[in-house]
Amino acid sequence: AQSVTQPDIHITVSEGASLELRCNYSYGATPYLFWYVQSPGQGLQLLLKYFSGDTLVQGIKGFEAEFKRSQSSFNLRKPSVHWSDAAEYFCAVGPMNTGFQKLVFGTGTRLLVSP
Amino acid sequence: DAGVTQSPTHLIKTRGQQVTLRCSPKSGHDTVSWYQQALGQGPQFIFQYYEEEERQRGNFPDRFSGHQFPNYSSELNVNALLLGDSALYLCASSLEGKGETQYFGPGTRLLVL
Repeated sequence: AQSVTQPDIHITVSEGASLELRCNYSYGATPYLFWYVQSPGQGLQLLLKYFSGDTLVQGIKGFEAEFKRSQSSFNLRKPSVHWSDAAEYFCAVGPMNTGFQKLVFGTGTRLLVSP
Repeated sequence: DAGVTQSPTHLIKTRGQQVTLRCSPKSGHDTVSWYQQALGQGPQFIFQYYEEEERQRGNFPDRFSGHQFPNYSSELNVNALLLGDSALYLCASSLEGKGETQYFGPGTRLLVL
């Protein structure tokens, strides 16, 4: 069965410090991979996505993620966190071999930014 | 260019009632997916509509049904509401095709009392 694991429920990072959010997936083949961010009371905003090619992908707001096939991981990183980055972050996978776009999400990681 | 819009933003219902949620996709998009996000959880796929037909469904009972109109907008209907149906309901639109990115609306928060 397809699944996404985000092992960290909460992470607290000091403003200006670096950030890494972990994501591991279980899938029959290499899926499409996504990171979304959700601010309180809001919908989901796409940060970045991996379809193929370069395993290091750049996204909006200074985020990047690296796909590691051998580890079935797609970790999200940012070199310097801003207070406005405080939000919930979701990793998701989608099927590569069909036109159906069902996304399977992890349970999310809540990022807290301390001054 | 308007993004994905959903209505209403909030809704309170009682057990056993029925509810209809509405979604207008991003301009140019033809595919609409619905997700349920319970408190503290990630979104879970309910179903997807394309060409006015449901073409994929998640693990949700038949109480959950939907419709897509010729203008690509969509409705989600939930019958015989249960307390456990309380959640944020998210609509996502995309173009049909492999790996097309889904763009999400702000959601409708449903509370069932």
